[in-house]
Amino acid sequence: GNSVTQMEGPVTLSEEAFLTINCTYTATGYPSLFWYVQYPGEGLQLLLKATKADDKGSNKGFEATYRKETTSFHLEKGSVQVSDSAVYFCALIPNTGNQFYFGTGTSLTVIP
Amino acid sequence: EAQVTQNPRYLITVTGKKLTVTCSQNMNHEYMSWYRQDPGLGLRQIYYSMNVEVTDKGDVPEGYKVSRKEKRNFPLILESPSPNQTSLYFCASSRNSVDGYTFGSGTRLTVV
Repeated sequence: GNSVTQMEGPVTLSEEAFLTINCTYTATGYPSLFWYVQYPGEGLQLLLKATKADDKGSNKGFEATYRKETTSFHLEKGSVQVSDSAVYFCALIPNTGNQFYFGTGTSLTVIP
Repeated sequence: EAQVTQNPRYLITVTGKKLTVTCSQNMNHEYMSWYRQDPGLGLRQIYYSMNVEVTDKGDVPEGYKVSRKEKRNFPLILESPSPNQTSLYFCASSRNSVDGYTFGSGTRLTVV
């Protein structure tokens, strides 16, 4: 079947620290992979995506690389800011169909 | 502006009183879906629709109904709400699997 596993939070970092949020997946075929971000009181927004192996998605200083050999899509940022405090969701869509599979989310708090 | 609009944003109701949460998208997307978000459980899919008059159950459909009479609208109906349906609900739409979802801002439902 299809599933996404994220590292459990919450994660608390100081401003300018390096961020990694781990995400691994199980899927048949070649899924598309996504990171979504949910700021407090808001809906989910697409942060970045990758649609094939070795693709790197990037946006707002965040990056994630589609690693098929390790079935992973870890989210990284070199220097976090207070404004990055949010919940981050890893997700996949199989290459057959439109159903999304989400991880449980990782809460990030960045302190000044 | 391309968006998914949900209404209402907040709703408090009593057990057994039928309610409808509306969802509308202006992007001509064929695929629409409803999710509920609960602490520690992430997002769980309730129902989805591949196109007009085509709907199917997601992972947690019990106690919910949907309809898709027009492409742009996908209302979520709770015929007899119960307290265990207290949750944050999101509607989402998609053009294809590569683009990912666009989410609405959410509806926070409390059933007392």
